[in-house]
Amino acid sequence: AQTVTQSQPEMSVQEAETVTLSCTYDTSENNYYLFWYKQPPSRQMILVIRQEAYKQQNATENRFSVNFQKAAKSFSLKISDSQLGDTAMYFCAFRVQGAQKLVFGQGTRLTINP
Amino acid sequence: DSGVTQTPKHLITATGQRVTLRCSPRSGDLSVYWYQQSLDQGLQFLIQYYNGEERAKGNILERFSAQQFPDLHSELNLSSLELGDSALYFCASSVGGTGGSGELFFGEGSRLTVL
Repeated sequence: AQTVTQSQPEMSVQEAETVTLSCTYDTSENNYYLFWYKQPPSRQMILVIRQEAYKQQNATENRFSVNFQKAAKSFSLKISDSQLGDTAMYFCAFRVQGAQKLVFGQGTRLTINP
Repeated sequence: DSGVTQTPKHLITATGQRVTLRCSPRSGDLSVYWYQQSLDQGLQFLIQYYNGEERAKGNILERFSAQQFPDLHSELNLSSLELGDSALYFCASSVGGTGGSGELFFGEGSRLTVL
């Protein structure tokens, strides 16, 4: 069974700092997708960034980037120049290509302080 | 706006009652997924439908059932409700059974409170 582990239940940084959220996963599959979703206080689930396992290049989306280490089964999210609006729960998620469900980690509550 | 519509947004009911949550997927998406998020917890996969047929089942209780209709909207039925069923129920959709780019698009959720 696939599992996703987020080892940091809570994190807090000052505005404009850089923060890295950790995620590890366990699978025997070779083709899969990894995602980071953001859940702000509104509770909406918003896709932040996506990584295909076959791509060696790390995905980036503006201030958000990932460090994907396939051999280590690690998928961390880096937020640069953090903003107050980045305050949210962040969920790492995993999906085997062709599989039906997205498996989520337990989340990291990130607070950006002014 | 993800394009996935869920109704109702909020629902308060009593133990033992039955409720129905409704979801309309993004235009063109054939797959619908239901997830449950209890307070400050991660998302637990309940069930998935693809083009009207059940494709995958997760930790869905026997008191819960779902279906997807010919117009691709889906309903999640929760019966004999218990206090522990209070949660945020998300619907998500994707392009097809293999998910296209792999990502799911989530609705805003239906918050169920059982008193």
